[in-house]
Amino acid sequence: GNSVTQMEGPVTLSEEAFLTINCTYTATGYPSLFWYVQYPGEGLQLLLKATKADDKGSNKGFEATYRKETTSFHLEKGSVQVSDSAVYFCALKVGGSNYKLTFGKGTLLTVNP
Amino acid sequence: GAGVSQSPSNKVTEKGKDVELRCDPISGHTALYWYRQSLGQGLEFLIYFQGNSAPDKSGLPSDRFSAERTGGSVSTLTIQRTQQEDSAVYLCASSSGGLWNEQFFGPGTRLTVL
Repeated sequence: GNSVTQMEGPVTLSEEAFLTINCTYTATGYPSLFWYVQYPGEGLQLLLKATKADDKGSNKGFEATYRKETTSFHLEKGSVQVSDSAVYFCALKVGGSNYKLTFGKGTLLTVNP
Repeated sequence: GAGVSQSPSNKVTEKGKDVELRCDPISGHTALYWYRQSLGQGLEFLIYFQGNSAPDKSGLPSDRFSAERTGGSVSTLTIQRTQQEDSAVYLCASSSGGLWNEQFFGPGTRLTVL
C-alpha cells in the first residue's frame, strides 16, 4: 500500500533559522508528491507539489525535491518567519480508480520572534 | 469564486446519536472527497465521489459511516450511533478530477462525541 512518513514535531525555531522537515514515502506506482499547510484556524492549503522524479516544487520560499532514489520529498526553507508557524503535511497521490491523497501525520512548526 | 464550504463548523453530540455533516464543493468540480483528521492518526481518506460513478467507500471505518452526493454537487456524510472515537475534524475536498488537479479543502467540521 501507500504510506507517508514525516518527522514528528513539534519543531520550534527562531525567526530566520533554516527549516527542514523530512518526508519519505512508499507507493505502489509512480506518485505525485505534495506539501500541504494548515495555518492556525484555517483550512488545508496546497503549498507545493512535484509530479516526477527530480522535479523541484517551490512556493513562498519553501522548496522540496522529488528524490526517487531515496523515496523522499523533504521540505526546506532558508529563513523562516513567524508567519510560517503552521502544521505541515506531506502527501502523495497515485493514479488509479481514484486520486485520493495519502497524508503523513503532520509536523507542527512554531517560529518564535 | 466561493471555495469549498462545510457545515456545521462545530458539532457536539452525545454518544449513540446520529449526525449529518454537509459539504458544498466548488461549483463545477466533479470529484469530491471526505477525509478525517484525528489526533494521532493524521488525515485519513474516507470516501470519494466522481461524477455519476459509484463512490469509492474503501476508507470508511465502519458501516456506521455513509455518504451521499446529490445531483453531483452537495454531499452529506452521516455517522450513525456515534462513538467517542468518532471525534475528529471531518474535511471535505473537491477537484476537477484527474491525477494532476489540485484538491481544494473546506474548513472542516469539528465533531465532538461526549
